[in-house]
Amino acid sequence: DSGVTQTPKHLITATGQRVTLRCSPRSGDLSVYWYQQSLDQGLQFLIQYYNGEERAKGNILERFSAQQFPDLHSELNLSSLELGDSALYFCATASGANTGELFFGEGSRLTVL
Amino acid sequence: GIQVEQSPPDLILQEGANSTLRCNFSDSVNNLQWFHQNPWGQLINLFYIPSGTKQNGRLSATTVATERYSLLYISSSQTTDSGVYFCAVEPRNSGNTPLVFGKGTRLSVIA
Repeated sequence: DSGVTQTPKHLITATGQRVTLRCSPRSGDLSVYWYQQSLDQGLQFLIQYYNGEERAKGNILERFSAQQFPDLHSELNLSSLELGDSALYFCATASGANTGELFFGEGSRLTVL
Repeated sequence: GIQVEQSPPDLILQEGANSTLRCNFSDSVNNLQWFHQNPWGQLINLFYIPSGTKQNGRLSATTVATERYSLLYISSSQTTDSGVYFCAVEPRNSGNTPLVFGKGTRLSVIA
């Protein structure tokens, strides 16, 4: 158990819909990273927040957004969903602003039908 | 950006055999981690090893940062070792770029 909690574990929805994925970091971790794992693209970095502020941005679509709340949990919002958004979405956390050692949650498996 | 190449892409082992997985990276790195993704999709930390050698039970890892590679050794493999092994690096010269993952080595250990 990494100490990083992600919910929901599984989610099935339809094209055009919107979903929210949630991540609670390990105690003491201030950085939250979101990654997407799809069959054809591997593990791709989406976005990082540190202590409530966006710190780095990767290959995140405009239809996706994220935020980190004062209690340090983070949410990833995916809207206008397409079939190609089906993937495993991971949250990872770390103690500092720069990467250091990352610890991953169990992931949220999204299926868009 | 930095390239991370893992080899071999696929590996089938008989239970009890040893193996070496390799990770090459194209530029200087601050950090390197090895992960095991089990058949249920969980990403499990194996080693945080920017340089040097570490051991944890039947697994050990060595990173030679000056030569831009890392090796993961699995000894006396067990069926529970099956899954995908990922190497991930934090580039030194790319600002706030976090971990960049290789494509992984898929290991199947058969009884």
